[in-house]
Amino acid sequence: AQKITQTQPGMFVQEKEAVTLDCTYDTSDQSYGLFWYKQPSSGEMIFLIYQGSYDEQNATEGRYSLNFQKARKSANLVISASQLGDSAMYFCAMEDSGGGADGLTFGKGTHLIIQP
Amino acid sequence: EADIYQTPRYLVIGTGKKITLECSQTMGHDKMYWYQQDPGMELHLIHYSYGVNSTEKGDLSSESTVSRIRTEHFPLTLESARPSHTSQYLCASSAIREVRETQYFGPGTRLLVL
Repeated sequence: AQKITQTQPGMFVQEKEAVTLDCTYDTSDQSYGLFWYKQPSSGEMIFLIYQGSYDEQNATEGRYSLNFQKARKSANLVISASQLGDSAMYFCAMEDSGGGADGLTFGKGTHLIIQP
Repeated sequence: EADIYQTPRYLVIGTGKKITLECSQTMGHDKMYWYQQDPGMELHLIHYSYGVNSTEKGDLSSESTVSRIRTEHFPLTLESARPSHTSQYLCASSAIREVRETQYFGPGTRLLVL
């Protein structure tokens, strides 16, 4: 069963606007971590932000913030004041101890395009 | 800034050839991973390692094999490449000692098997 769901295959956003990328997850674990990665067209995966399941405050890293709603099992990424360089694929990922192989489980990603 | 390297970045090779994708990290991380990613799709874990002489298979079945003889080095080998192996392969590492195990990724190898 899919553990990470990203429902937006693609998004077009005007430069300088804020953008929210959706992510919902499914796990039976109480302890887990949620990550967002950015993948430009060059292919590398760039770590953006992390939220632990026991963190009481939403994570923030510069222009990135994570809107964590534990009861709804959602971990949306918010990018404030978008820039042209933000155009990329964005992946939500989860790490838990759910008995499967170690490593991250990724969503299918959202292709974000920032328009001037 | 993560220091994890992959070579080659791009590889075009014929069917039946043996290939090794290299991955090295200079951060002293214990855990290393290989993910496979088809174009426009999510990443799938194919191998991981907790440390020297430790290798495990991931969630996605793969015909590739890995080895971990040195902490910093985690190569992936395909004994006989096939067109179905065409994909991007991403290597990552993380430190067990960290409270939060953030995985840092290399730049990836894009493999095309003709």
